[in-house]
Amino acid sequence: DTGVSQDPRHKITKRGQNVTFRCDPISEHNRLYWYRQTLGQGPEFLTYFQNEAQLEKSRLLSDRFSAERPKGSFSTLEIQRTEQGDSAMYLCASSPGRTSSTDTQYFGPGTRLTVL
Amino acid sequence: AQSVTQLDSHVSVSEGTPVLLRCNYSSSYSPSLFWYVQHPNKGLQLLLKYTSAATLVKGINGFEAEFKKSETSFHLTKPSAHMSDAAEYFCVVSGTPINTGTASKLTFGTGTRLQVTL
Repeated sequence: DTGVSQDPRHKITKRGQNVTFRCDPISEHNRLYWYRQTLGQGPEFLTYFQNEAQLEKSRLLSDRFSAERPKGSFSTLEIQRTEQGDSAMYLCASSPGRTSSTDTQYFGPGTRLTVL
Repeated sequence: AQSVTQLDSHVSVSEGTPVLLRCNYSSSYSPSLFWYVQHPNKGLQLLLKYTSAATLVKGINGFEAEFKKSETSFHLTKPSAHMSDAAEYFCVVSGTPINTGTASKLTFGTGTRLQVTL
């Protein structure tokens, strides 16, 4: 079963450093989503891609955050000049992109970021 | 804008007794609704989804949810709890009308932690 995979699973960094996370969606899913989950809260939407196009970004996604999905396959999420407030679980999800029914998102295990 | 409210942050039941996790939603259209479960150190797993085919939705592991438009509720139930059901449960609403197939961000509730005791 090749579900959504994320790498790394854990990342510890010092404040001010840059970090990059990778997400590999389920094969043939053309939609890919990023969410952030802080302790005790539900996940919050950050951004999503339809193939390689980034179509929506949350206001939570400051200019220190950038996401890409080259060639419409895997995606990367980069955080520049990390701050302690960036400490969270970063979740990736993908969906088939069916246009005739409710599109269902399948989640990866997440990358837990700790900023010291 | 759509939102969900999970009425209990923590629910504790004995093994073998019924489970009820409550969720109310707010939306300006007929939304898609989901329940996801998150076990410690594991990813979010889809339990079930409401797609308007039936108001009583059956999911995995014996869970069900009933869509009640008049009450704007989508409560999750299970007749008999098992120890393995202990986890965090999220009620989720989509950002676009049901069955349109449009890409949509999901809005999550704050979660209900289910504890199952012997």
